[in-house]
Amino acid sequence: QSVLTQPPSASGTPGQRVTIACSGTSSNIGRNFVYWYQQLPGTAPKLLIYRDNQRPSGVPDRFSGSKSGTSASLAISGLRSEDEADYYCAAWDDSLSGVIFGGGTKLTVL
Amino acid sequence: EVQLVESGGGLVQPGRSLRLSCAASGFTFHDYAMHWVRQAPGKGLEWVSSISWNSGTIGYAASVKGRFTISRDNSKNSLYLQMNSLRTEDTAFYYCTKDTKITIFGEFALWGQGILVTVSS
Repeated sequence: QSVLTQPPSASGTPGQRVTIACSGTSSNIGRNFVYWYQQLPGTAPKLLIYRDNQRPSGVPDRFSGSKSGTSASLAISGLRSEDEADYYCAAWDDSLSGVIFGGGTKLTVL
Repeated sequence: EVQLVESGGGLVQPGRSLRLSCAASGFTFHDYAMHWVRQAPGKGLEWVSSISWNSGTIGYAASVKGRFTISRDNSKNSLYLQMNSLRTEDTAFYYCTKDTKITIFGEFALWGQGILVTVSS
């Protein structure tokens, strides 16, 4: 059972905007940065959003992250077929002294 | 090219040991903390272990503490994971990842392609 809670699935049509929520506690999201990782089918995960809302170079600005209190969210605007992937949120947990991940959200582009 | 390449995976019987290696290239290895993250087939990501640049700080997930040992050799640009007393639930793809800081920050900026470890009799 993951310490961070994400919906198992999400979907949208091309061009739509979708959001994926990630819920945690005061020992993780509440006091540490949130990260989002994208895992395309059959590949290794890739850093998508770091330190709550920063994009690594090369990540389109269609992807954005936000955080409020003990919850965070990933938004994808202008949805494209190549965005179909698993998305994981993650944060350092002070109680566990380690990184915790959400269970992952499988995004389907209809 | 900046990359991480894992090796040493395979099929192993429960209770036996296996050592994973990760070869780093394209960046100054000793300037970064490193981590292992695993993913059981069809499941989510799980942090396994972390090590700071000089091996001074090390951390483990509760699920592997006392059985796994992380280490690094900066002279060889290599990261290791010694896995003892393996269990069937350790079956997973193991990813080597690079942090963005010299200390353990938990920011997985670069990932290897992953290596499969299968624990089965």
